[in-house]
Amino acid sequence: AQSVTQLGSHVSVSEGALVLLRCNYSSSVPPYLFWYVQYPNQGLQLLLKYTTGATLVKGINGFEAEFKKSETSFHLTKPSAHMSDAAEYFCAVTPKPPPNYKLSFGAGTTVTVRA
Amino acid sequence: EPEVTQTPSHQVTQMGQEVILRCVPISNHLYFYWYRQILGQKVEFLVSFYNNEISEKSEIFDDQFSVERPDGSNFTLKIRSTKLEDSAMYFCASSEARGGSSPYNEQFFGPGTRLTVL
Repeated sequence: AQSVTQLGSHVSVSEGALVLLRCNYSSSVPPYLFWYVQYPNQGLQLLLKYTTGATLVKGINGFEAEFKKSETSFHLTKPSAHMSDAAEYFCAVTPKPPPNYKLSFGAGTTVTVRA
Repeated sequence: EPEVTQTPSHQVTQMGQEVILRCVPISNHLYFYWYRQILGQKVEFLVSFYNNEISEKSEIFDDQFSVERPDGSNFTLKIRSTKLEDSAMYFCASSEARGGSSPYNEQFFGPGTRLTVL
């Protein structure tokens, strides 16, 4: 079975500061890893994904994440937070390649950005 | 930009009543999913659907739940007899049928339907 743990349900950062959201996973097979973002009253939007290849993955809105197999981690970072980054962020894993797969989500981390 | 839409945005029902949650997936997508999120808990997979049949379902998806693609555009989740514990946000998602060496096919999510069972 696959599972995801997101450390910290709430993160507060100052505008311009580093955003770091932690995600650890457990998987019995090589995982496919995702970060989704949810803005208020909207659906989940894919930020980035790791499937195979380069372990540092760049996504939309300046976010990136690094897959570290030895640490079973897939932490999400952004060098400089913007007010528009305030949202809820979900890490997800699936063991199954496309096209048909189910996602196992973490509990989510709510990010607030202070002016 | 194409998007997944869901109706209604909020549904209030009495325990024991039937509800149907509706989703319009992106038009060229062939895989469809339902997830739910009980308040304060994780987003959980319910069911995936392809070629007019269920591909996979979770243990949550018992006989009280059913899914249907009644026409070429809608994808519905029916809860036959709602319970208090069915109160949750229900998300529909869809994805294209690519795989293999093609770019990984992203699941596109709708905004959700908040179901409240009284």
